Amino acid sequence: SQQGEEDPQALSIQEGENATMNCSYKTSINNLQWYRQNSGRGLVHLILIRSNEREKHSGRLRVTLDTSKKSSSLLITASRAADTASYFCATLLIQGAQKLVFGQGTRLTINP
Amino acid sequence: NAGVTQTPKFQVLKTGQSMTLQCAQDMNHEYMSWYRQDPGMGLRLIHYSVGAGITDQGEVPNGYNVSRSTTEDFPLRLLSAAPSQTSVYFCASSSPFGGYTFGSGTRLTVV
Repeated sequence: SQQGEEDPQALSIQEGENATMNCSYKTSINNLQWYRQNSGRGLVHLILIRSNEREKHSGRLRVTLDTSKKSSSLLITASRAADTASYFCATLLIQGAQKLVFGQGTRLTINP
Repeated sequence: NAGVTQTPKFQVLKTGQSMTLQCAQDMNHEYMSWYRQDPGMGLRLIHYSVGAGITDQGEVPNGYNVSRSTTEDFPLRLLSAAPSQTSVYFCASSSPFGGYTFGSGTRLTVV
């Protein structure tokens, strides 16, 4: 079963607005990662936040992590048409060998 | 630097045929993984490896074999293709506890 669940499954906003995507997970993690996938392409790593971190920034991206609620959010500020893609959260599990488990993703559409 | 290279990009197989999906990375990453992506299912882990000679099963390993004889290569073998294995397959590599670098994928159709 999938470790992470993302919300919403689809999001459509106007260019220039902010986009927020949420991710919840079930078990203890080493870190949580966000990826972007353009249609028909491979996944691109965006940002990684460790279990002892609460917030991280990278350009227009802001990620938060709440380990007590087992949840994370990805905020994209001042969205652009080029941000149209699917966004996935993935959790690196703490038990056993390194396994990165993905959620089902959020489909983000930026309207010009 | 090529990153993670997957071949072929597209493949059509008949039910019962076998084939090997190739994956190679040039970043000296210890960890490599294979995922399949189906519509509405996200990515599901098939097999992974934490180093040469060490492999383990993921969520959906049935029907697939892997081996890791070198750090660079991690081939995925389909033993007897079935229509349920129609999917897009991604290979990825990483350093320990780091972000993953993905290949561009292999789109496989089994008829």
